Amino acid sequence: EDQVTQSPEALRLQEGESSSLNCSYTVSGLRGLFWYRQDPGKGPEFLFTLYSAGEEKEKERLKATLTKKESFLHITAPKPEDSATYLCAVAGQAGTALIFGKGTTLSVSS
Amino acid sequence: DTEVTQTPKHLVMGMTNKKSLKCEQHMGHRAMYWYKQKAKKPPELMFVYSYEKLSINESVPSRFSPECPNSSLLNLHLHALQPEDSALYLCASSQVGSNSYEQYFGPGTRLTVT
Repeated sequence: EDQVTQSPEALRLQEGESSSLNCSYTVSGLRGLFWYRQDPGKGPEFLFTLYSAGEEKEKERLKATLTKKESFLHITAPKPEDSATYLCAVAGQAGTALIFGKGTTLSVSS
Repeated sequence: DTEVTQTPKHLVMGMTNKKSLKCEQHMGHRAMYWYKQKAKKPPELMFVYSYEKLSINESVPSRFSPECPNSSLLNLHLHALQPEDSALYLCASSQVGSNSYEQYFGPGTRLTVT
């Protein structure tokens, strides 16, 4: 069964304190791993797609990496505006249906 | 442009009302989706349209009726809802038939059933 597990559920950081969010996955025939950011009451905002082990993508203070079993979202020197829930999702053999993890809620205080 | 729009932003309806949610995208995507999201939970897939045809229905109750009038528009017709149907309803779109499966989401409609 395809499955996505994110950890930790919640993470509190001080401004400037770098850390990583984890996304472990089990999927038949990975067709893509996706990171989204979601602010309360709003739709998920697309961040990154990773397709194969070893791939890395960067955007501002965020860097996503992928291995054969997990992905990390590294946050370097976070700011309060980075506070949000970060969702990880995978597309498996079926393609169109994304399988979401439960998300990590990040709080960054100044 | 990676924008998906949804209307209305908020909707309050009684259990006997009929209402509709609307979604629009102009990215040339041929797959469109409806998701339901409860507080502190991930989005839960309801329906998938591919080339304007319903391809996935995740055993959603018949009080939710999707419609895809053309490649840019997606509607969700609501009738005789229950209070437990109160949630954030999200629309998304993506390409079909390529190696790119990322979905772009709209801002959502916050639905409250009284």
